[in-house]
Amino acid sequence: GDSVTQMEGPVTLSEEAFLTINCTYTATGYPSLFWYVQYPGEGLQLLLKATKADDKGSNKGFEATYRKETTSFHLEKGSVQVSDSAVYFCALSDRGGYSTLTFGKGTMLLVSP
Amino acid sequence: EPEVTQTPSHQVTQMGQEVILRCVPISNHLYFYWYRQILGQKVEFLVSFYNNEISEKSEIFDDQFSVERPDGSNFTLKIRSTKLEDSAMYFCASSEDRGLNTEAFFGQGTRLTVV
Repeated sequence: GDSVTQMEGPVTLSEEAFLTINCTYTATGYPSLFWYVQYPGEGLQLLLKATKADDKGSNKGFEATYRKETTSFHLEKGSVQVSDSAVYFCALSDRGGYSTLTFGKGTMLLVSP
Repeated sequence: EPEVTQTPSHQVTQMGQEVILRCVPISNHLYFYWYRQILGQKVEFLVSFYNNEISEKSEIFDDQFSVERPDGSNFTLKIRSTKLEDSAMYFCASSEDRGLNTEAFFGQGTRLTVV
């Protein structure tokens, strides 16, 4: 079946550091890929998405590129802020929509001033 | 900004008891979902609901679970006889549609602890 694997957290960075959170997936067919973020006390929010190979999703300075050849969708940000501290979830949908999202375990990011 | 609201934020229940988790989806949304995350594990899909019936469910969603939309605004998940392994964070979500470019909006979650 489908699965998503994310790097273990927490990831601890200083403000303005470069961020990478690795995500790899296994899926039948051609899934859509997503990154969700959960800030403390809030729900999961869609951060960015990519629906086909080589697409790059971007939002709020975060980027991720759909790499079919390596089955990866790594999240990157050039300069993190304290306000980016949250849990980040990589997810896929193999039906082109949102009805059955398959999530990873989540990676906690802690950014210190 | 519209949001999905879940209550309670934390529920403690005794094993064998029935529990109802409540969600108020965004008002013009038509598709509703429940997911759960056992501590340290992945967020898992439980069920989707559309037009007053279940449209899809996972293997986790067995006869102990049920969902309903009792009054046109709330969307509830009932666990009939809770087990210790039902302890998890339960997330409700809703979306306007199921298409590729339709975002699912999630609530903040209800942490269920079965003792």
